[in-house]
Amino acid sequence: GAVVSQHPSWVICKSGTSVKIECRSLDFQATTMFWYRQFPKQSLMLMATSNEGSKATYEQGVEKDKFLINHASLTLSTLTVTSAHPEDSSFYICSAVPGLAGDYEQYFGPGTRLTVT
Amino acid sequence: GDSVTQMEGPVTLSEEAFLTINCTYTATGYPSLFWYVQYPGEGLQLLLKATKADDKGSNKGFEATYRKETTSFHLEKGSVQVSDSAVYFCALRGTGNQFYFGTGTSLTVIP
Repeated sequence: GAVVSQHPSWVICKSGTSVKIECRSLDFQATTMFWYRQFPKQSLMLMATSNEGSKATYEQGVEKDKFLINHASLTLSTLTVTSAHPEDSSFYICSAVPGLAGDYEQYFGPGTRLTVT
Repeated sequence: GDSVTQMEGPVTLSEEAFLTINCTYTATGYPSLFWYVQYPGEGLQLLLKATKADDKGSNKGFEATYRKETTSFHLEKGSVQVSDSAVYFCALRGTGNQFYFGTGTSLTVIP
C-alpha cells in the first residue's frame, strides 16, 4: 500500500510555456502533500507544503506565482511551472502524508524530470 | 531554521565492508529523524526512523541512533552488499511536519 504516482515521468517543453505535473495518492487519502526539487548533486529542496482545500505554503525563496500548486482533492495535487525557463529544468518529486491521526510518514512519488529547451 | 548536514560522497566500498554515513542536524524542539534510500531509477523509500532521543532505528541491517547530545543520526551497516548501492538521504521532520533533507550520499559497493 501507500503508493504515490506522478505524471508525467518526464517532459520536455519550450521556454515560455507552462507545464503541469500531477501527484496522486493511489490507495490512501493525503491531507498533506509536499513538493520537492532535486538538484543534480542530489540535494532535495522542499518547495512547498500543500494542504487539501487551502493555499499552499511556500518555502522561502520559492516563487509562488511561478510554481502554482493546487491540492484539489485528498488524492491529487498539481504543480504548474508557469513560463518555464531552462533554469527550471530539474527533477520534481512529490510526497504524500496519510490523513491518519499520528501517521506522519510521507510516501514519495517516483519524480518528474522536466527539461526546458 | 531546521536543517540537516550530511557527509558528502560519493562513497565506494568493497562488499562486506563496514559503512558509516554521518548526519547531524539543527532543529528547534524535538524533531523526528529519518534515513531514506533512493535506488537507481526509483523514488525515495523510507529506510529507518527514530522519533525521540536514544531511539535506534533499524532495517535491512542498517542502524542509526538518535543522539540528542551530539545532534547526530549516523547511518551504519556492518557488512554492505552490492545491492546496497544507492543514494542515502538523512532527513528530519520539523515541528510543522515539514521534512528537510540532507544533500544525499551516493554509495557504490563493488564485488
